[in-house]
Amino acid sequence: KQEVTQIPAALSVPEGENLVLNCSFTDSAIYNLQWFRQDPGKGLTSLLLIQSSQREQTSGRLNASLDKSSGRSTLYIAASQPGDSATYLCAAPNQAGTALIFGKGTTLSVSS
Amino acid sequence: NAGVTQTPKFRVLKTGQSMTLLCAQDMNHEYMYWYRQDPGMGLRLIHYSVGEGTTAKGEVPDGYNVSRLKKQNFLLGLESAAPSQTSVYFCASSYRDSYTDTQYFGPGTRLTVL
Repeated sequence: KQEVTQIPAALSVPEGENLVLNCSFTDSAIYNLQWFRQDPGKGLTSLLLIQSSQREQTSGRLNASLDKSSGRSTLYIAASQPGDSATYLCAAPNQAGTALIFGKGTTLSVSS
Repeated sequence: NAGVTQTPKFRVLKTGQSMTLLCAQDMNHEYMYWYRQDPGMGLRLIHYSVGEGTTAKGEVPDGYNVSRLKKQNFLLGLESAAPSQTSVYFCASSYRDSYTDTQYFGPGTRLTVL
């Protein structure tokens, strides 16, 4: 059964810092891993989807990596801004591919 | 293109009352999902559908029923609400399965059961 864990649960940084969010998963036979952003009181917005054949995926200041052998993914945010403050969730498909299993998220606060 | 919409946005029920949450998507997606999000528990899958007329149980299906009579709509029903069903409910959709496609989420329905 797929389990997804995110560390740390919360992170506070000053504006301009580069930071890394971590995600680990138990079933390495995954087809992809996804990162989402959730603002308070809002739904989830997809940030990046990394296919198992890829090692990295980039979108603007965001870079996500995937290492299936170690069961880990990282989300790198460059030059953080206050607007990056949100909860970041990673998710991996269940074994049947019918739905996503989510981590509990990392709540990021970027101060100006 | 509205994406995924959910009705209502907020609702307060008394124990034992029933209600239906409506999810609609205009992206012609085959797959639709209902999740609940609780503090400390993260997002958990309630039910999902892989196409019109199909439904299947997720991780926490007890106390809920669903229907997918039209491709664009996915309904979540609570027949007899309980305080344990107080949560934020999210609907999502995707074109194909979770192996290949990302999911698009609605804004959520905040439900309180007294």
